[in-house]
Amino acid sequence: DAGVIQSPRHEVTEMGQEVTLRCKPISGHNSLFWYRQTMMRGLELLIYFNNNVPIDDSGMPEDRFSAKMPNASFSTLKIQPSEPRDSAVYFCASTLTGPDTQYFGPGTRLTVL
Amino acid sequence: DAKTTQPPSMDCAEGRAANLPCNHSTISGNEYVYWYRQIHSQGPQYIIHGLKNNETNEMASLIITEDRKSSTLILPHATLRDTAVYYCIVRIKTSYDKVIFGPGTSLSVIP
Repeated sequence: DAGVIQSPRHEVTEMGQEVTLRCKPISGHNSLFWYRQTMMRGLELLIYFNNNVPIDDSGMPEDRFSAKMPNASFSTLKIQPSEPRDSAVYFCASTLTGPDTQYFGPGTRLTVL
Repeated sequence: DAKTTQPPSMDCAEGRAANLPCNHSTISGNEYVYWYRQIHSQGPQYIIHGLKNNETNEMASLIITEDRKSSTLILPHATLRDTAVYYCIVRIKTSYDKVIFGPGTSLSVIP
């Protein structure tokens, strides 16, 4: 299995631009999670989906952030407009509901200038 | 989910056992203890989990005290590649696998 796939791996953009991060979960997994990691705040859960439905988005920092999961094999995290404080590594993870472990992708390093 | 307390950093000599402690004094009866680690610039990686019995797999051993208020992750023969941040998490195995990561322990394996 290829594991969780994220794209792009690195993104540099200017303040005010729209940014879209993509995630392909492991085939057969039905829960998907978006995390953000910074030095100051550590690893934060932003939102998670179960069977393509958003279950808890309380971690989404503000309305500039939105996430979708149109099908079981694809999810996006969008930031519009982006700000320098959004600079972070964004991780996607997937799991089977109920069983043990989350499998994380390699992350997208976002830099907003 | 119960909160956990871990030392912020630890050193371990290469080839020796690394023992990483975690306190979870408010753990409830249906909460499991999970360990993940994050090697620099990579996503977190699952290591092991347990409820009340000690567990062992190819990566590590997990020792949970009888009162379940603390646990220790043991890497029996630490290598340089084990240098990482180790996260101890307690959570209920509910329908939705929400995982909250604390600051973890930064383990440095020294040659």
